[in-house]
Amino acid sequence: GIQVEQSPPDLILQEGANSTLRCNFSDSVNNLQWFHQNPWGQLINLFYIPSGTKQNGRLSATTVATERYSLLYISSSQTTDSGVYFCAVGHYGGATNKLIFGTGTLLAVQP
Amino acid sequence: SQTIHQWPATLVQPVGSPLSLECTVEGTSNPNLYWYRQAAGRGLQLLFYSVGIGQISSEVPQNLSASRPQDRQFILSSKKLLLSDSGFYLCAWSIRDRGYEQYFGPGTRLTVT
Repeated sequence: GIQVEQSPPDLILQEGANSTLRCNFSDSVNNLQWFHQNPWGQLINLFYIPSGTKQNGRLSATTVATERYSLLYISSSQTTDSGVYFCAVGHYGGATNKLIFGTGTLLAVQP
Repeated sequence: SQTIHQWPATLVQPVGSPLSLECTVEGTSNPNLYWYRQAAGRGLQLLFYSVGIGQISSEVPQNLSASRPQDRQFILSSKKLLLSDSGFYLCAWSIRDRGYEQYFGPGTRLTVT
C-alpha cells in the first residue's frame, strides 16, 4: 500500500517564527489533504490540495504530485497553531476516497 | 451547511461488553461515510467505509463491525470489547460534489478497562 511519511516528527517554535512541514508519499495519489488536530482531538481541514499551491491566511501549501511530496508552510506562528499536523493522501476506489494518514508532525509554539 | 455529530463523546467500558458508537451527518444526501481509529500515538487508520445504505467495506479485519441503517447514519459496533479496542474513533463524510474531500466529526474517546 501507499506509504506516507511526514517530517519533522516534532517541532518547537517560538511565537512569530516560520516553519515548513513536509509530506512524502510513495505512489501516485488522486488527492491530498492537510489537517490540524487540536488539543481536543478535532481534525480541522486546512487544505485540499492534490496539486498546485494554495494559501489561507498565514498558512499555505504546495503539492508536487509528480515528485510525490507536499509542503505546509506556517508563517508568523501563534500559540494557537500548536497541535498535530497530518497529511493524508486520497486513493480513489469504488467512487470513494480512502485516506491514508501520515504519522503527523507535533508542533509546539511557545510564547 | 453540513454538520457531523458523534456520540457519545467519551466512553469507558469493561472488557467483554458490547459497543455502539453513532455518527450522523446533516445537510447533505448520499454521503460516503468512514470510520477511523486513532490509537495511542498519532496515526489514523481507516476501519470501514460506506458508499450507501447497507453497503459496508471493511479495511482491517478485527473485533468491530459497522452498519449504515439510514442514508446519513453510520454505526460502529462490537459484541465483546477487547483492551486493544481502546482509542479515539472518528467518523468522516465526503461527497462527490466536493471531490470527496473528507470532513471529520468530533470523535469518541473509548477506554476499555
